[in-house]
Amino acid sequence: DAEITQSPRHKITETGRQVTLACHQTWNHNNMFWYRQDLGHGLRLIHYSYGVQDTNKGEVSDGYSVSRSNTEDLPLTLESAASSQTSVYFCASRRGFTGELFFGEGSRLTVL
Amino acid sequence: AQSVTQPDIHITVSEGASLELRCNYSYGATPYLFWYVQSPGQGLQLLLKYFSGDTLVQGIKGFEAEFKRSQSSFNLRKPSVHWSDAAEYFCAGDAGNNRKLIWGLGTSLAVNP
Repeated sequence: DAEITQSPRHKITETGRQVTLACHQTWNHNNMFWYRQDLGHGLRLIHYSYGVQDTNKGEVSDGYSVSRSNTEDLPLTLESAASSQTSVYFCASRRGFTGELFFGEGSRLTVL
Repeated sequence: AQSVTQPDIHITVSEGASLELRCNYSYGATPYLFWYVQSPGQGLQLLLKYFSGDTLVQGIKGFEAEFKRSQSSFNLRKPSVHWSDAAEYFCAGDAGNNRKLIWGLGTSLAVNP
């Protein structure tokens, strides 16, 4: 079955370190998204991509970057992790512009 | 500005009771509307969606939602709640212009035995 997977599921890192969260989907969806989820803030969009070589900033993109070199993967990189980036991160994908979003199970990141 | 509001942060119901979770939207035109559910430690799963047509939409797990343009609402309902329905519920809308979903802050549902 097609799926979307995130790794690692849990990570603890130190302030200032670079961290990359992986997202891989096997639906061949063009649209992929990264969200962070924090208490009281719901889901906030970090970055998104509508296809290979396309990336766009979301509402909370500072300190994050993404790259899209193929359809299946959209890795999220924290260039220099900060404590404010402690959160649960969700990757999602969808086929077109109006279809269902499919979510990964999340990556819990703790920055000490 | 476009927005999606879930007025209730937390709701507790008894098992077997009916449920209604509120969602209000603020868009210039009729948006695409969605309800998602998130079980603890899991990602989000689509319950149902409204694009156009019949304003009463049926979803999975016995849920339904009604789009009411006059009230700018898209409330989620279930006639009889099960303990397994305890979860976080999110309403989301898409205006269709930039294709990004706008999310409500979620409603946490607890179910008493």
